[in-house]
Parts: sequence; structure tokens; C-alpha cells
Amino acid sequence: QKEVEQNSGPLSVPEGAIASLNCTYSDRGSQSFFWYRQYSGKSPELIMSIYSNGDKEDGRFTAQLNKASQYVSLLIRDSQPSDSATYLCAVNQGGSEKLVFGKGMKLTVNP
Amino acid sequence: NAGVMQNPRHLVRRRGQEARLRCSPMKGHSHVYWYRQLPEEGLKFMVYLQKENIIDESGMPKERFSAEFPKEGPSILRIQQVVRGDSAAYFCASSRDGGWNEQYFGPGTRLTVT
Repeated sequence: QKEVEQNSGPLSVPEGAIASLNCTYSDRGSQSFFWYRQYSGKSPELIMSIYSNGDKEDGRFTAQLNKASQYVSLLIRDSQPSDSATYLCAVNQGGSEKLVFGKGMKLTVNP
Repeated sequence: NAGVMQNPRHLVRRRGQEARLRCSPMKGHSHVYWYRQLPEEGLKFMVYLQKENIIDESGMPKERFSAEFPKEGPSILRIQQVVRGDSAAYFCASSRDGGWNEQYFGPGTRLTVT
């Protein structure tokens, strides 16, 4: 089983700060990378996808991918209390459609 | 509601009974994936299906678990002779195409085995 590693956290940031979430993966054949947000007791919600090296921005969210370092990150600017959730990094297992998930990082944004 | 639908949302079964979980993909999507989330553990892939075909079942336990996606109707994940260790949240996701496309999750079915 290929691995996807996330710092277990939890991560606590003040409202308005930048939250930085990191993820590393072991399968060099992986081609697609996703960030999901999961509120307690709810299902994962897709917030970002990234397929190419570099940055991808969507509103307050920026995903960064570095395939050489096998590293993907998510930056949340101007963090809001409503961003408090567990963030899951997901990577396709190379050559297949199945996603391998990290265990998640719990983010708390303090008002 | 154009999202992925799952039912029931909560299911309680006694040990030894059968559990049937249903999933209707998002409108326009023909690829369905089932994942399981055990308490305090991450999401684990179980099976990937297209209409009338199982594409990848590498994450399915060898016994008691089966899945189908018939030509008509929802995808079904069936668990026979449930045991307490089957208690988990079962999520279905769908995508428009296979490959590496985005997968959107349904609300999940929380299975409790007593």
C-alpha cells in the first residue's frame, strides 16, 4: 500500500492568519492530488485538485505541488472559524483511479 | 438534488445480519467508488465500479463483502453476516469519468453493528 503522510496536528491558528497544511506521498506514479475538508460527522468535501507542478489558487485556498519532492500542500489565507475542520490529502495510486488518503490534519481557527 | 445520494444514512444491524448500502451517483456521473472510514482511522478505498462492471475491488475484504452497480438503479454495497468490526462510516463517491478525475462524496451511511 502506497503511503500518504500528513502531520497529525492538531493545528491551531488565529482568525485571519494563514494556515499551512502539508502532505507527502510515496508513489512516484501518482498524477492527481486532492484536498478534502471534512467537518465532524460529515462527509469529505472536495476543495482543491491539482495535477501539475506549481501553485493553483482558488479564492482563499492555494494548493502547491512538487512532484520531485513528492510533496503537496494547502494554504488557507485569512482563516475563518468556519474553516475549522479536518483536512484530508488524497492522492491517486499511480495507474489506478483509487484514492489513497492521509489520516487528516485537524485545523482549529480561533476567533 | 444533483449530488451523490446514499441511503440509509444510519443503519443498525445485529451481528450476523445483512447490511445493504445504496448509492446513486451525481447526475452525469457513471463511475462509483466506495470507501470506508473506521473510527479514528483514515478513509480506505474498497471498490470502483462502472455500470455493470467491477473495475477494481482490491480494497474489498475477501469474504462477506460484495458490490454491484446494475444497469438500472443505484450501486449497492452488501455486507453479509455483519460483525462488530464492520461498524464504520461507508462513503460513496462518484466521478464523471474515470482516470484521475475529481471524486465527489455522498453523505455516507453510518453502520452500527450491535
